[in-house]
Amino acid sequence: QKEVEQNSGPLSVPEGAIASLNCTYSDRVSQSFFWYRQYSGKSPELIMSIYSNGDKEDGRFTAQLNKASQYVSLLIRDSQPSDSATYLCAVRGVGTGGGNKLTFGTGTQLKVEL
Amino acid sequence: DAGVTQSPTHLIKTRGQQVTLRCSPKSGHDTVSWYQQALGQGPQFIFQYYEEEERQRGNFPDRFSGHQFPNYSSELNVNALLLGDSALYLCASSLAAAQNIQYFGAGTRLSVL
Repeated sequence: QKEVEQNSGPLSVPEGAIASLNCTYSDRVSQSFFWYRQYSGKSPELIMSIYSNGDKEDGRFTAQLNKASQYVSLLIRDSQPSDSATYLCAVRGVGTGGGNKLTFGTGTQLKVEL
Repeated sequence: DAGVTQSPTHLIKTRGQQVTLRCSPKSGHDTVSWYQQALGQGPQFIFQYYEEEERQRGNFPDRFSGHQFPNYSSELNVNALLLGDSALYLCASSLAAAQNIQYFGAGTRLSVL
């Protein structure tokens, strides 16, 4: 079982729709969760962090965390073509050694179509 | 406020050579982490430096080594390069006292021929 799993996609949504990106993680003791956006050929850019169960909203983005189910998701409302990118889920403290390292999923490619 | 800066942006080396990559953290940050990202994969943790010491290490061979300087900048060294070392190398900086939220530099793309 991978430590952090994401569907690689591509996930295609029409402009203006809600995009839903999902991530599961293996280590129950993980406490910190992050979503990064990565455009092709660029470096990851932090979008959201979440530490407690429930929802956290920032503009068009909402992160959702369910520690009991070991599940974290990212919703993007009113999707725009500029949202087309790979979205990386990252978990801090997963696996051997835990600590401050981030363990990433392979990313979900999102395509927002006109 | 300068973000995380990395140099060089691109590098081409041949097998067996050695390479040094450099990173300057975001102003006010004291912790530097290095990641390797192969094409189509998520970043893989190499190691993290804090107070000039390696605090944590991922599953990478000893050919990968690093250093942190008193001004918090950092270097990643890779010896005896292999073709499989070709990747985007990312530096992330964070502040230990502030949840260590990591911000990435633009990366160095290394090609080993």
